[in-house]
Amino acid sequence: GQSLEQPSEVTAVEGAIVQINCTYQTSGFYGLSWYQQHDGGAPTFLSYNALDGLEETGRFSSFLSRSDSYGYLLLQELQMKDSASYFCAVSPLDNAGNMLTFGGGTRLMVKP
Amino acid sequence: GAVVSQHPSWVICKSGTSVKIECRSLDFQATTMFWYRQFPKQSLMLMATSNEGSKATYEQGVEKDKFLINHASLTLSTLTVTSAHPEDSSFYICSAKYRESGNQPQHFGDGTRLSIL
Repeated sequence: GQSLEQPSEVTAVEGAIVQINCTYQTSGFYGLSWYQQHDGGAPTFLSYNALDGLEETGRFSSFLSRSDSYGYLLLQELQMKDSASYFCAVSPLDNAGNMLTFGGGTRLMVKP
Repeated sequence: GAVVSQHPSWVICKSGTSVKIECRSLDFQATTMFWYRQFPKQSLMLMATSNEGSKATYEQGVEKDKFLINHASLTLSTLTVTSAHPEDSSFYICSAKYRESGNQPQHFGDGTRLSIL
């Protein structure tokens, strides 16, 4: 099975850097994904790590360490519009990677 | 731009009504689509995997007779909530993968907020 743990809530100020951690227990997966969801909206894809290391996409970066069963999403130069929920998710090997199992989500509040 | 379209975005109806939600892949063929349910301030829970031309695969605890899934074409999957009751009120979201491979992200529809009175 799959189990992903995230902090439930994080607060930071505008312009700051914040790291959202995701620890997991899985029986094997293709990669770790990150999704952003604003209140009332649908999840939007942010980043994907198939291999260990850092993936950078603009202000957002994601990191994966399979040996540590750990990943994180790094948000730089925080803006008010970054206030949202962030979910990590894995694509399990036992379903050909077609399904996603989500963590509980981290609610990020950015303050002025 | 959006690659998955979901309709309707919001439904309010009386208890006992059946509600159909459509999920369309735009400009690509999706042999597999996914249906999720999300309660307020909770994570997304996979309900079922919709396979074109065959029966859907339901997750444990999801009643297949209550949540009917039809994947009639390569671009359309429908979820029908039959005889809906207030406890079925939730945010229903579909998704599809642009390409059928393990390392590709899923694209989500905008979701359907279902409120049963």
